[in-house]
Amino acid sequence: KQEVTQIPAALSVPEGENLVLNCSFTDSAIYNLQWFRQDPGKGLTSLLLIQSSQREQTSGRLNASLDKSSGRSTLYIAASQPGDSATYLCAVVDTDKLIFGTGTRLQVFP
Amino acid sequence: NAGVTQTPKFRILKIGQSMTLQCAQDMNHNYMYWYRQDPGMGLKLIYYSVGAGITDKGEVPNGYNVSRSTTEDFPLRLELAAPSQTSVYFCASSYSQGPTYFGPGTRLTVT
Repeated sequence: KQEVTQIPAALSVPEGENLVLNCSFTDSAIYNLQWFRQDPGKGLTSLLLIQSSQREQTSGRLNASLDKSSGRSTLYIAASQPGDSATYLCAVVDTDKLIFGTGTRLQVFP
Repeated sequence: NAGVTQTPKFRILKIGQSMTLQCAQDMNHNYMYWYRQDPGMGLKLIYYSVGAGITDKGEVPNGYNVSRSTTEDFPLRLELAAPSQTSVYFCASSYSQGPTYFGPGTRLTVT
C-alpha cells in the first residue's frame, strides 16, 4: 500500500529565506508526483507536476525535484514571502489514484 | 471554463438524513475523484472514476455511493448521515495522469 509522508509538519521562517519541503513515498512505481498549495478554508491549487520520467520542474520561485529510486521529492521555495504562507501537500499518482501526504503548514513572517 | 464546481458550499444534516453532493467539470477530464479532509488531516480518497460508467472505491468508501453517468458529472451520495461524516468534501478531476484540478469544497456538518 502506497504511503506518502511529509516533513516537517509545520515550519515558520522569516521573509526572504530559502526553504525546502520534503515528501517521501513507499512505492516507487508512480506515474507522477504533484505539489499543491492549500490556503485556509480553500480548495487545493496545483503548483507543479513531475512526470515519473522527469527529475525536476520549475515555476517561478518554486522548484520541485523527484528521485523515484529513493522515493523522495523536495519542493524548494526561493526568497520566501508572507504570501507563501499556506499548507503545501504532495501527492503521488499510483495507478489510477492520487494519494496525498498530510502536508507541511508554512508560515512566513515579515 | 468554470473548472470544477461543487454544490452546496455548506450543509448541516441531522443524523440519519441523506443528501447528494454535486460535482461537475467542464474540461472533458476522464478522471474524477472525491476526497474528504478532516481538520488538521490530509485528504482521504472516498471514490474515484476513470471514465463514464466506471467507478471504484478509495480508502474510505463506507457510508457513501457514487455514480458517473456522464463525463461531466460525479455526484456523491450519503445515505444515512452519521457524525463521523462531518468533514470538508473535495471533488477533483484530471486528464489521465495530467494536473489535477480541485473544486472549492463542501463543508458538511452532521448533528
